[in-house]
Amino acid sequence: IAGITQAPTSQILAAGRRMTLRCTQDMRHNAMYWYRQDLGLGLRLIHYSNTAGTTGKGEVPDGYSVSRANTDDFPLTLASAVPSQTSVYFCASSEAQGNYGYTFGSGTRLTVV
Amino acid sequence: GENVEQHPSTLSVQEGDSAVIKCTYSDSASNYFPWYKQELGKRPQLIIDIRSNVGEKKDQRIAVTLNKTAKHFSLHITETQPEDSAVYFCAATNYGQNFVFGPGTRLSVLP
Repeated sequence: IAGITQAPTSQILAAGRRMTLRCTQDMRHNAMYWYRQDLGLGLRLIHYSNTAGTTGKGEVPDGYSVSRANTDDFPLTLASAVPSQTSVYFCASSEAQGNYGYTFGSGTRLTVV
Repeated sequence: GENVEQHPSTLSVQEGDSAVIKCTYSDSASNYFPWYKQELGKRPQLIIDIRSNVGEKKDQRIAVTLNKTAKHFSLHITETQPEDSAVYFCAATNYGQNFVFGPGTRLSVLP
C-alpha cells in the first residue's frame, strides 16, 4: 500500500442494503475524512476523524456512520442505502487537522438503485 | 462557519494564454488556502497552497496570491497547456477546523 487506498472502486447497490466503504492509509496521518462528490457539485464533507478513537460530523452526515478504531482505517457505512446516496466517495487524510494538505484516495463510485 | 465562493465556474483559454481563478472566503480567521486539481475520473490532488503569513507563492507555471484584507485568493496559471485542463478547487480553513471547498472551476485549454 502506498498512500491511501479505497475499496471497492465501484459498486451497484440495491436500495435498503447496508454497505461499508473501506479506506486505509499507510502514511500515519492523524486526520481522516470522507467526502462525497456529486455531478456538477464540489466536495461535501460527510464525517471526519482528527485522531484514532474520535469522529465528528461534517456537512452531510445523515445516513452515514464512521468508526476510527486505529490510525490506518476509516470505514464509512451506509446503514440502509437510498438512491440519493448515489455519488463518488473520496476518503482523504492529512498529517493533522487543519493547516495541512489533504491526500485523497482514488474514490468509490456508488450507484444505489 | 466558513463559506467559500469560486469564480468562474467554467473557463476556456487558448493554449499558451494565462488562466486566473478567484476564490473568496468569509471567515477572517482562516489561515490556510490550498488548491486542488482534479482531472476527469481522477482524485483531487494538491497543486499549491498558501498560508496567511504569505502574500504570494509560485511553483513553476502556477502561482497563488492572497489578499487577507479583501478575503480573497487567486490561482494563476501561465503558459497554459492542454494537460492543465481539469476542475480546480480552492479551499480555506482556520487552524483546528476542517476544510471548506469552493464549488470548483472547470478549465479547458484549447489547442
